[in-house]
Amino acid sequence: NAGVTQTPKFQVLKTGQSMTLQCAQDMNHEYMSWYRQDPGMGLRLIHYSVGAGITDQGEVPNGYNVSRSTTEDFPLRLLSAAPSQTSVYFCASSYWAGGHFFGPGTRLTVL
Amino acid sequence: TQLLEQSPQFLSIQEGENLTVYCNSSSVFSSLQWYRQEPGEGPVLLVTVVTGGEVKKLKRLTFQFGDARKDSSLHITAAQPGDTGLYLCAGHYKNAGNNRKLIWGLGTSLAVNP
Repeated sequence: NAGVTQTPKFQVLKTGQSMTLQCAQDMNHEYMSWYRQDPGMGLRLIHYSVGAGITDQGEVPNGYNVSRSTTEDFPLRLLSAAPSQTSVYFCASSYWAGGHFFGPGTRLTVL
Repeated sequence: TQLLEQSPQFLSIQEGENLTVYCNSSSVFSSLQWYRQEPGEGPVLLVTVVTGGEVKKLKRLTFQFGDARKDSSLHITAAQPGDTGLYLCAGHYKNAGNNRKLIWGLGTSLAVNP
């Protein structure tokens, strides 16, 4: 099992550009989520999904979109990148109320 | 408002020493998890505790959930350089409408020096 995979590992964008961060899991977990991690701020939930076709906002959703067409995939889209979105992004999956399995992260810099 | 307070924020010790880090809240949690995160990687789940007063051991690591399920501690015996990392606690808030969302602490950054 690969667990949770994320691509790309590193990305540099210019302000205003858009991009999609990919996330996939092979553990058949129904719950998937996206976090961003910033120094002094900890892990903050961006969006989450409780199953295919169902998504909801976390605490910092502005500027990001998600979709969940399959159990395995949960991409995160940045619509128009801003310097404030410079961060490390983690995708995670879990069973109901279970421990999270995290991907290796995407380090994003917006210039 | 940070619902989970972790202390200390930073800890630097010598190899072989013992240490305890804490995760405290004024709220009751239905379960609490501990993670370790190494630089450049995602957090890795160490343990989940669900019962008040529960104690779980993972080699040299001992985890305890408070009787009232408002706090937890992680004790490391004879720390080794490989224990270096950021230790995060996270909980499912009791009575939350959607208890799959985790509440996260800011972490304790541990450095074990050879």
